Formats: sequence, C-alpha cells, structure tokens
Amino acid sequence: GENVGLHLPTLSVQEGDNSIINCAYSNSASDYFIWYKQESGKGPQFIIDIRSNMDKRQGQRVTVLLNKTVKHLSLQIAATQPGDSAVYFCAENSIQGAQKLVFGQGTRLTINP
Amino acid sequence: KAGVTQTPRYLIKTRGQQVTLSCSPISGHRSVSWYQQTPGQGLQFLFEYFSETQRNKGNFPGRFSGRQFSNSRSEMNVSTLELGDSALYLCASKIGTSTDTQYFGPGTRLTVL
Repeated sequence: GENVGLHLPTLSVQEGDNSIINCAYSNSASDYFIWYKQESGKGPQFIIDIRSNMDKRQGQRVTVLLNKTVKHLSLQIAATQPGDSAVYFCAENSIQGAQKLVFGQGTRLTINP
Repeated sequence: KAGVTQTPRYLIKTRGQQVTLSCSPISGHRSVSWYQQTPGQGLQFLFEYFSETQRNKGNFPGRFSGRQFSNSRSEMNVSTLELGDSALYLCASKIGTSTDTQYFGPGTRLTVL
C-alpha cells in the first residue's frame, strides 16, 4: 500500500472494542479540522469534520473531539469492525486562509478478530 | 455521481523525463487540489486550482506545475524528473468553498528509475 515503509504510529484493537486515535495539530490559526481514512490502494476518504467553534461532533460510530487549548484532535470509533482497518489522518485548514489541507503523519489502525 | 478519477493509475519514468498526470473532478466541483504522498514526508499539498486559476500553492519547486481547463479537469506536470519524485500523486475535488468536503481520487503511482 501507499504507506508501506512509513513508520506510522500504530494502534491495534479487538473487533468490537472502541478505538481512539489522537492527533496534535500545528497551527493555532487553524479553525477547520477533518479526519480521513485511507485503505490500501485507495485515496483518503472523508470521515468527519469539525469547526473550531465546536468541541465535539458525532457521526455514525465516530466522534471527533477538539481541544483548542492544547491543539489536540481525537477520533473515536465505536464498536470497531474489520473494515475499520486503515491509516487515519487528521488534517487542518483555515476557513479564511489558504485553501490547503495540512495533514498529520497518520495512524495505522489494525482490528484484530 | 462518479467519483474523482485519475489517469494513469501507474506510471514508470526515468530521471530527466517529464510526466503529465490527469484528474477529472466530481461533476459540479470547481476546485481541484493536488497532493504528493510519500513514506518519508506523508501527504503534502502541491497546489489548488479554482475556475482555471491557481488559487494556492505549496512549497514545491517550479518543476511541478499544473493547470485547469474550463470543464474543471486538471493536469499536473513534473519536468526533469528526479528519483525523489517517486510518490503517489493524489487529486482531490470540492465544490469550492473552504469548508466543502474534499473528495480524493485513487491516485497515480509514479515510479522514477
């Protein structure tokens, strides 16, 4: 896959357990954050986003938490399934600034049966 | 709706050559961004085009260029290829505003020998 050889942080969880993936972002001016999932051989797939005026946002089986004080973002996945195995990236952007996403290094999530 | 498509999916070139990659955005999307993904540097923003104009540019040398056509399709060109240009090149499209969801294509895997 695209991330072979990349020394990504890894997280292994049992199928059915909850997982939490963390991300530290770099720019205090960033006010829009996105989580992407990338499976082997595919491009990143949008999961969920959050604006800086929110602390928490929920989707289907996923929750994103934002702590602006410490510039920290997390993605919680509930009741993990084998299909959740992938590399997860956080990305930051500035709504009023340049239209470009700055990606974190990614975390490889492995779901054990 | 068809997703973002990229051609070719795989490409092998030798040092010094040039290459052109193509991206067709989702119908109705006017913004196309290009990213380079490598094991060492992760996902890095190259440039963004909106309505045939380059709206943002990342920190890549001038050998990397792009353009967008009136139908929003985009091409990127890399001249005088170097070994370090071997990467997965991802194209992403969105409607146009800063918080629109950005959808990625499957990428073009470029190998420079």
